[in-house]
Amino acid sequence: SQQGEEDPQALSIQEGENATMNCSYKTSINNLQWYRQNSGRGLVHLILIRSNEREKHSGRLRVTLDTSKKSSSLLITASRAADTASYFCATGAYSGGGADGLTFGKGTHLIIQP
Amino acid sequence: DGGITQSPKYLFRKEGQNVTLSCEQNLNHDAMYWYRQDPGQGLRLIYYSQIVNDFQKGDIAEGYSVSREKKESFPLTVTSAQKNPTAFYLCASSGGIIYEQYFGPGTRLTVT
Repeated sequence: SQQGEEDPQALSIQEGENATMNCSYKTSINNLQWYRQNSGRGLVHLILIRSNEREKHSGRLRVTLDTSKKSSSLLITASRAADTASYFCATGAYSGGGADGLTFGKGTHLIIQP
Repeated sequence: DGGITQSPKYLFRKEGQNVTLSCEQNLNHDAMYWYRQDPGQGLRLIYYSQIVNDFQKGDIAEGYSVSREKKESFPLTVTSAQKNPTAFYLCASSGGIIYEQYFGPGTRLTVT
C-alpha cells in the first residue's frame, strides 16, 4: 500500500507566489524525498531529508520533516511557470543489504498561472 | 552522457502476449528498480535489484518477471498473467547509500 499521502491533490497559484505541499506517512522511515514529474515524463529528484534532520534548503525549495507527526512539507518560493508539474513525496528504508525501493504518495498537481 | 534509458517510449501489444521492457543505465549504480504508474496515481514498486544476479519482489510483482544478468541492465517482462498491464512503466537506479533514485523517461504500455 502507498505510505505517503500528499495534500492538497491539486494546487493552482499565480506566478511569483509561494507553493506549499504537505505529505503524511504511516511508518518509521530512514529518509523522505521529494520528486517532480512533468506530464508524461520520468521523475526528477528534488531533495532528500534524513530522519534526523528537521529542515533542508535547496535553491527555492525548503523541506521540513516532523517525525513525531509523520509529516513533511515542501515549500517552493517565488514560483515560476516552469514549476508546473506533479510533486511526489517518497519514503525510503535501508534494509542493511542495500537501498530498498521507495514508497510514493499520489502526488500534488501544481499549476502556476502566468 | 550518463543516465538511464528505457525503450521503447510507446509499446502496443495484444492481450495474451508477453512483452519485455528495456532499461539500461551507465551510472555504475548497483541498485535498479521498476515502478508502475497509473493515471493520477503515484508509483508502485514492482521489482528491485540491489546487486547483479539478485532481485526482490516489490508490492505488485504478480504477473511480472525480471532478470539482472548485467549491472547495466534490468529488463522487465510483463506476462499474460498480469490482469491490467496497461500503464506507464518507470525504471530507476540508485547508488545505494544515498538513496536518491534516478529515473528513466518511462515506457507507456497499452494492451488491447
